[in-house]
Parts: sequence; C-alpha cells; structure tokens
Amino acid sequence: AQSVTQLGSHVSVSEGALVLLRCNYSSSVPPYLFWYVQYPNQGLQLLLKYTTGATLVKGINGFEAEFKKSETSFHLTKPSAHMSDAAEYFCAVSAARGNFNKFYFGSGTKLNVKP
Amino acid sequence: DSGVTQTPKHLITATGQRVTLRCSPRSGDLSVYWYQQSLDQGLQFLIHYYNGEERAKGNILERFSAQQFPDLHSELNLSSLELGDSALYFCASNKGLAGGEQFFGPGTRLTVL
Repeated sequence: AQSVTQLGSHVSVSEGALVLLRCNYSSSVPPYLFWYVQYPNQGLQLLLKYTTGATLVKGINGFEAEFKKSETSFHLTKPSAHMSDAAEYFCAVSAARGNFNKFYFGSGTKLNVKP
Repeated sequence: DSGVTQTPKHLITATGQRVTLRCSPRSGDLSVYWYQQSLDQGLQFLIHYYNGEERAKGNILERFSAQQFPDLHSELNLSSLELGDSALYFCASNKGLAGGEQFFGPGTRLTVL
C-alpha cells in the first residue's frame, strides 16, 4: 500500500529565503513521486516528477526535489522564494498496478511568502 | 491549460437535489479520475475510470456515481445533496500508464444551500 505524509500544513518564508516543503512516503513497491502546485481557485498543475533514474529532479519555476530511498522522502526545495510562489503544494505517490496507476495525495502544504 | 475541461465552472443548488458534473479528458487520454476538495477533508480521491470501465474507488459516497462514455468524457452524478457536499470537484486524466502524471481540469465549484 502507498501513502504520503506532508509535514506542516502551513509554511511561511520571507521573499528570497529558502523554501523547503517536506514529503515522506510509504510504498511497498518502487514509487513514482510527484509534486503539484495549486494556486487559488485553480486546478493542480505538475511541478515535477520522479519515475526512475536521477534522484535529483528539476521542475518548473526553479523548484527541485530529491528522491531519498533510505529516508523515504521526496522534499521540495527552491533556493529563493518569490511572492508568486504562494500557493498550496501537494506531494503524491503512485505505483503501477498492471497498466493502471493509483495516486495517493498528501494533505497539502500552504506556502506563504512574506515581503 | 492542461487540456482537461470541466463544466460547469460553478453550480449552486439546494439540499436534496441532484446534479451532474462533466469532464472531457485530454486528447488521447483513456483514464479519468475524480476528486473532491473541501476545506475540512482536503483532496479526496473518488473514482477512476479507464476506457469506459471503473478501475478504482476511493472515498465515494453511495449517493454519488460516475460513468465514462465511449467518447471518453465522464460524468459525476451527485444526488440527495447535503450541505457537506459543497466542495470543489476536480477531474484529472492521463493515459493510465505507469509513472504518468495526472492532468487536472479547472474544477467545478459546487455550493449546496
């Protein structure tokens, strides 16, 4: 079975500061991992994903995440926060069941960026 | 623009009523997923269809049902509506293959008065 835990439902950083959003997963099989962002009154859009290969994954808007199997983590980082990064971020895990993949989403982390 | 469309964008109705939400997946996608997002429950997976067949069920109430049609669009039917059903309902689609991300529509905001 798969599950996702996002530590911290709210994170607040100053503009220009490091952004670190935490995600831990559990999976009985090699996972596929995703980060999505949701701006107010919009749907979720993909930031980045890890399937296989390089464990450091770069996404859009300067975000990146590192898959650490030993720590079962997939934390999202950005070196310097912008005001436009204020949004809710969701971590998700997926594992193949035959040709179909089930997604499990975390509870989300709301990022506030202070001027 | 993800390529997934949902109608209507907003829906206001009364308790006890029935509504239908519609989703058109991205061109070429065979899988459609429905989610409910509310303030107290967060993002909840409801149901997954692949090429017309139900593949997985999540926290979907018996008052709710869905189907996927031969042209691959999907409808989510919500009946005997309660105040607590007020939420954002999202549809997502993908090809259904391992490792593929889901592409989300803009959502339908349902308000039950």
